[in-house]
Amino acid sequence: DAKTTQPPSMDCAEGRAANLPCNHSTISGNEYVYWYRQIHSQGPQYIIHGLKNNETNEMASLIITEDRKSSTLILPHATLRDTAVYYCIVRTGANNLFFGTGTRLTVIP
Amino acid sequence: DAEITQSPRHKITETGRQVTLACHQTWNHNNMFWYRQDLGHGLRLIHYSYGVQDTNKGEVSDGYSVSRSNTEDLPLTLESAASSQTSVYFCASSPGQKETQYFGPGTRLLVL
Repeated sequence: DAKTTQPPSMDCAEGRAANLPCNHSTISGNEYVYWYRQIHSQGPQYIIHGLKNNETNEMASLIITEDRKSSTLILPHATLRDTAVYYCIVRTGANNLFFGTGTRLTVIP
Repeated sequence: DAEITQSPRHKITETGRQVTLACHQTWNHNNMFWYRQDLGHGLRLIHYSYGVQDTNKGEVSDGYSVSRSNTEDLPLTLESAASSQTSVYFCASSPGQKETQYFGPGTRLLVL
């Protein structure tokens, strides 16, 4: 699975959009981009995933660049409960999810 | 609602004791996984199973074993607990190999 690069931390004002970037320059054609988050002391929570096209669900939007070397997770209206560590993962469907160190998002009141 | 549960949520044990952590899912998923999470290492795969009677070693399997006698459960056994196995353990399941993994709430294990 390709490795990813994420900023270690970010702040976002409550009610504003949170845009979390991820670089995955070595991604191959059949690798999906997955996003999980982990709220303190809880199990990782699946957010969204995509291959080439942008994706949206009830939690977030995923924007993948045309060359697929980077992506952005967008939380449209961040709340205090969105404070968590966000992990960007690329995978081919192998059994292992490589979580890395993620981005610690702090939503500020 | 279907879910994945882990028990106990917290466990303290002594070095050398055998410990079993339970994982139960009601989604009827074929695939189940055990990870451990330590500061500075993210989540690391211990063992996984693609179905009943199937088990496979992951990245950090030494000192751990699993068995899959039914679809719903994948217990993780520490044969002889060591202080290095103090960690938070997460179980996950997915419908298939290329499907999303869903995680349980975790078990905090302290080995004294």
